[in-house]
Amino acid sequence: GENVEQHPSTLSVQEGDSAVIKCTYSDSASNYFPWYKQELGKRPQLIIDIRSNVGEKKDQRIAVTLNKTAKHFSLHITETQPEDSAVYFCAASKGTYKYIFGTGTRLKVLA
Amino acid sequence: DGGITQSPKYLFRKEGQNVTLSCEQNLNHDAMYWYRQDPGQGLRLIYYSQIVNDFQKGDIAEGYSVSREKKESFPLTVTSAQKNPTAFYLCASSIEGVSNQPQHFGDGTRLSIL
Repeated sequence: GENVEQHPSTLSVQEGDSAVIKCTYSDSASNYFPWYKQELGKRPQLIIDIRSNVGEKKDQRIAVTLNKTAKHFSLHITETQPEDSAVYFCAASKGTYKYIFGTGTRLKVLA
Repeated sequence: DGGITQSPKYLFRKEGQNVTLSCEQNLNHDAMYWYRQDPGQGLRLIYYSQIVNDFQKGDIAEGYSVSREKKESFPLTVTSAQKNPTAFYLCASSIEGVSNQPQHFGDGTRLSIL
């Protein structure tokens, strides 16, 4: 069935370093890939998304890359700051209501 | 996103009791969704609605019910048939239910069993 695998489950980086989170999806028909940031007890917030007709998208310190052949997409955060500490979720969708979410990555930025 | 309001923030359910979680949005979004979040797992879709007076089951609809009488409102009832209701429940909405529109979430309701 449809599946999104997300790695790593936890990630600790030093402040100022980069963080990379990778997701692999199973359904080749997927064409929309959002990333959400969720702080403890709060709502998931959309931080960046990418559509399948684009290979990379950047927004300040955040970027997402998509490799359709390998069916994986990655979130890159540069110059990490303590406020980047949160759980990050990826998702894949194929143009319908349904998102398939990854299991989340807990990012800890050490000051 | 301040346009989606969930209440209450915390809710306790007794054995055999039905409880209803509220979700209201003022974003004029057509589509609304209910997700369940358990520790160490991704979000799982319970129900969704693309238009008023219509809704569809998601992946884990058993033990839950919804209604969509108004565009702004999509309440979720956790029935006594749901034997393991303890979870964090998130409501979301999007401009429409197709065409890859981002979903925006409320602050969630944490449900526990007494």
